[in-house]
Amino acid sequence: NAGVTQTPKFQVLKTGQSMTLQCAQDMNHEYMSWYRQDPGMGLRLIHYSVGAGITDQGEVPNGYNVSRSTTEDFPLRLLSAAPSQTSVYFCASRPSGAGYEQYFGPGTRLTVT
Amino acid sequence: AQTVTQSQPEMSVQEAETVTLSCTYDTSENNYYLFWYKQPPSRQMILVIRQEAYKQQNATENRFSVNFQKAAKSFSLKISDSQLGDTAMYFCAFDPGNTPLVFGKGTRLSVIA
Repeated sequence: NAGVTQTPKFQVLKTGQSMTLQCAQDMNHEYMSWYRQDPGMGLRLIHYSVGAGITDQGEVPNGYNVSRSTTEDFPLRLLSAAPSQTSVYFCASRPSGAGYEQYFGPGTRLTVT
Repeated sequence: AQTVTQSQPEMSVQEAETVTLSCTYDTSENNYYLFWYKQPPSRQMILVIRQEAYKQQNATENRFSVNFQKAAKSFSLKISDSQLGDTAMYFCAFDPGNTPLVFGKGTRLSVIA
């Protein structure tokens, strides 16, 4: 099992550019989530999905889009990058139901200039 | 909405000593789970310990144990015999079961030789 994979590991964008952060898991987990981590702010939920075809907004969804066409993949799209989106982004997955461990990808460090 | 509060942004401990990290949460749920995750400088998120709310007994994993006080909504992590490898960010997380995990802002722990 590769677990949760994310690409790229690092990215620099100019303001206004768009890009997609890729996330994939090979554990057949129903739940997938995207978080951003900023100093002093902990992990904040951007979007999440409870299964293929189902997505919902988290705490900080503005400026981001997601889709879930398959169980394995959950890409995060930045529509028009802004400096405020400079952050470390984590994708995570876990089985549905309570109490299961949530597995995280290695993170993507994004800088918007 | 559930919230998780970690009141200690930073802590330090001498090697081989014991340290306790605090976490409180707010919820109206009766059945839920609580987690502690560790994030070393590598950035990878690692599950440290898990507690089920309906279990009275505090969870223990080797040198890591929790003090779970359900009525007080408190979930502290005790690290015994601290090691240099314990240096990391520690996140407390709440799991109601049907929505994504809610994380605290984290406590940065430094273990000093």
